[in-house]
Amino acid sequence: DTEVTQTPKHLVMGMTNKKSLKCEQHMGHRAMYWYKQKAKKPPELMFVYSYEKLSINESVPSRFSPECPNSSLLNLHLHALQPEDSALYLCASSQDTGAADEKLFFGSGTQLSVL
Amino acid sequence: GESVGLHLPTLSVQEGDNSIINCAYSNSASDYFIWYKQESGKGPQFIIDIRSNMDKRQGQRVTVLLNKTVKHLSLQIAATQPGDSAVYFCAENPGGFKTIFGAGTRLFVKA
Repeated sequence: DTEVTQTPKHLVMGMTNKKSLKCEQHMGHRAMYWYKQKAKKPPELMFVYSYEKLSINESVPSRFSPECPNSSLLNLHLHALQPEDSALYLCASSQDTGAADEKLFFGSGTQLSVL
Repeated sequence: GESVGLHLPTLSVQEGDNSIINCAYSNSASDYFIWYKQESGKGPQFIIDIRSNMDKRQGQRVTVLLNKTVKHLSLQIAATQPGDSAVYFCAENPGGFKTIFGAGTRLFVKA
């Protein structure tokens, strides 16, 4: 299984809503990532978990709250988002070899619209 | 901050021709370079990678060339097919988990 599965595929939420994005992989990877991608732009790193511990937070606003319940699952909890947060949210995983050659495996993303 | 960039935002090629997508990088400390392909409605997919101690690497129909002297990376696709139509991102990793993506090039393949 070389897939990273993300749910839901599409999400529309109001600015006062609370929602969660979910990501799952069964490749035995120990690093998991959240990226944000605006239309016609490259993915931008948000968070990285390594061995279920938060390793990198790229100064992401607190209205985005990541969670890694176990090595296969990654969640992104959303609360009080702004319309400018509308984007494609991509989950990725990698082996976490400790070296620079971390090959990322991406899911298909959740297309989020904040109204 | 340092970033990876691309020379051309779009590239249009005839089916069967070879495609060359170029990329410039600025972080001389980067040790690992990757090309990803992103089709509409999907996440980026790994195509090919190269370490800084190499200048060329070949895959199936794809070749990556690395010129460290001028900090240039290119992706060559042989006999381009309609299924190759996508956005292509070069990316660099100076170490750790921070893969930095370039702006992307959209490849159109004309039948």
